[in-house]
Amino acid sequence: KQEVTQIPAALSVPEGENLVLNCSFTDSAIYNLQWFRQDPGKGLTSLLLIQSSQREQTSGRLNASLDKSSGRSTLYIAASQPGDSATYLCAVQGGKLIFGQGTELSVKP
Amino acid sequence: GAVVSQHPSWVICKSGTSVKIECRSLDFQATTMFWYRQFPKQSLMLMATSNEGSKATYEQGVEKDKFLINHASLTLSTLTVTSAHPEDSSFYICSATVTWEFADTQYFGPGTRLTVL
Repeated sequence: KQEVTQIPAALSVPEGENLVLNCSFTDSAIYNLQWFRQDPGKGLTSLLLIQSSQREQTSGRLNASLDKSSGRSTLYIAASQPGDSATYLCAVQGGKLIFGQGTELSVKP
Repeated sequence: GAVVSQHPSWVICKSGTSVKIECRSLDFQATTMFWYRQFPKQSLMLMATSNEGSKATYEQGVEKDKFLINHASLTLSTLTVTSAHPEDSSFYICSATVTWEFADTQYFGPGTRLTVL
C-alpha cells in the first residue's frame, strides 16, 4: 500500500529565504509525482508534475526533483515571499493519486 | 484550458437532509472523475472513482449508499450525501482526468464546503 509522507508538517521562514519541502513515498512504482498548493478553504493548484522518467521540473522560483529509487521528492522554493504562504501537498500517481499530509508554509514579511 | 468547476462552493444543511454536489469539466470531456474528502488539517482522501456510464468504484470504508455518485455525461458527475449528519461535514473536492501524452493528469475543482448542523 502506497504511503506518502511530507516533512516538515509546518514551516515558518522569513521573507527572502530559500527553502526545501520534502516528500517521501513507499512504493516506487509510480507514473508521476505532483506538487500542489492549497490556500485555506480553497481547492488545489497544480504547481509541478514530474513524470516517472524525469528527474526534475522547474517553474519560476520553484524546482521539484524526483528520485524514484529512493522514493523521495523535494520542492525547492527560491527567494520566498509572503504570497507563498499556503499548504503544499505532494501526490504520487500509481493507478490512484495518493496525497501526503502537506506542509503548511508561512513566510513572514 | 482544463477547468473543473464545482457547485455549490459551500452549503449548510440540517441533519438528515440530502445534499447534491456537482462537478463539471468546462472545456474538456472526462471519462473519469474522482471524489475526495478533506477534513480540517488533513490531506485529501479518495472516496470514489466515477466513470461515465457505469457504477462508481468506492474506496474501502466509504458507504456507497450514503455517498451516491452519478456520472451521467462526459462533463458532469454528481455526489449526493444522503441523510447527512454532522460527521459528514467536510471539504469535498472533485477532479477530472485528461490524458496528455499517454499520461493521465487530474485537474481539480475548487471544492465544496459542507456543514451539517
